[in-house]
Amino acid sequence: SQKIEQNSEALNIQEGKTATLTCNYTNYSPAYLQWYRQDPGRGPVFLLLIRENEKEKRKERLKVTFDTTLKQSLFHITASQPADSATYLCALSRGSARQLTFGSGTQLTVLP
Amino acid sequence: DGGITQSPKYLFRKEGQNVTLSCEQNLNHDAMYWYRQDPGQGLRLIYYSQIVNDFQKGDIAEGYSVSREKKESFPLTVTSAQKNPTAFYLCASSTGTSGRFETQYFGPGTRLLVL
Repeated sequence: SQKIEQNSEALNIQEGKTATLTCNYTNYSPAYLQWYRQDPGRGPVFLLLIRENEKEKRKERLKVTFDTTLKQSLFHITASQPADSATYLCALSRGSARQLTFGSGTQLTVLP
Repeated sequence: DGGITQSPKYLFRKEGQNVTLSCEQNLNHDAMYWYRQDPGQGLRLIYYSQIVNDFQKGDIAEGYSVSREKKESFPLTVTSAQKNPTAFYLCASSTGTSGRFETQYFGPGTRLLVL
């Protein structure tokens, strides 16, 4: 069956360091992958989308890579700040329909 | 302001009761979705609709029902058949016109608790 795993439930890093979050998937061939940010008690907010034919995408301090051979996406936040503390969800496209399958998320805490 | 609104923020259900969660969007999006989120878990798709008067079951539709009579509205009813309804419910929408590469816009969520 299709499965998405995000590296760990929680990740703590020091302010100013680069946070790297991992999203692994099996039994999928997604056309694209998305990353969302979710704050406690709030709905997710879209951050970045990367297509299967793209290796890397950047937006300000955010970078996403997509390796369809390894079936893995890495999400990086450079020069991390306490305000970056949140849960980050990866989501993969499903077939030809506009459906997404979400991972369980990684809770990132940036320590001042 | 354009966006998605969900109401109420908190909802309490008694045993055997049906409750309806509201979702409204003014983004002029064609597609709308309902997800359920349990602690420490990802979002699971309950129902989705790509156009008015049409909707499809998601992965966990049992015990839920929806309607899509207007483009702006996609209410979710949690029926008494749903035996474990306590969860955080999220509504989302997408344009429905960008092919497969669409992002979803989420509402603030409704937390449903069973009395």
